[in-house]
Amino acid sequence: RKEVEQDPGPFNVPEGATVAFNCTYSNSASQSFFWYRQDCRKEPKLLMSVYSSGNEDGRFTAQLNRASQYISLLIRDSKLSDSATYLCVVNDAFNNNDMRFGAGTRLTVKP
Amino acid sequence: NAGVTQNPKFQVLKTGQSMTLQCAQDMNHNSMYWYRQDPGMGLRLIYYSASEGTTDKGEVPNGYNVSRLNKREFSLRLESAAPSQTSVYFCASSLTSGWRVQETQYFGPGTRLLVL
Repeated sequence: RKEVEQDPGPFNVPEGATVAFNCTYSNSASQSFFWYRQDCRKEPKLLMSVYSSGNEDGRFTAQLNRASQYISLLIRDSKLSDSATYLCVVNDAFNNNDMRFGAGTRLTVKP
Repeated sequence: NAGVTQNPKFQVLKTGQSMTLQCAQDMNHNSMYWYRQDPGMGLRLIYYSASEGTTDKGEVPNGYNVSRLNKREFSLRLESAAPSQTSVYFCASSLTSGWRVQETQYFGPGTRLLVL
């Protein structure tokens, strides 16, 4: 079983749609959680950190469920520019050099 | 402020050849990392350097060596390339490592390596 699992998609949604991704992780000791965005043939870039209480950044909302060991990302009012692969990243705080990446969920927003 | 830079951007090697991938950061970060990304898999850590003068193995270190030349530069060497090392290689850096939570890593643009 992979340590961090994501639905690879692709998710194809129209502009303006709301889309949600989930990510599950296996290490119950994990302490830090992130969503990164990766455009085609580009490097990953931090989209947002995920805090225990959940957090929002504009159209993006991240949630953490420790009991069920998953994190989620909700994108509201999708834009064409949101088309990318979204990577779930989980880190054991006691070993900050051990970030585990999911394989990513691919999103395509269409006109 | 260039962030994290990598050279070369593309490389084709024959099996058994050697090469060094270069990485530099200008953010005064202490920690640097080398990852590989393969289709259908998440990024996997090859080696990391928590601070200048130290290096440690990550998840998939076999076939690679690293050198933390100074605080800015962290190179990855393939001594005898194999087709299984065909991948996209990303270098990353972060301010610190160890016990700090929510530490962001910044990635370079990647090196696409094909081993024939």
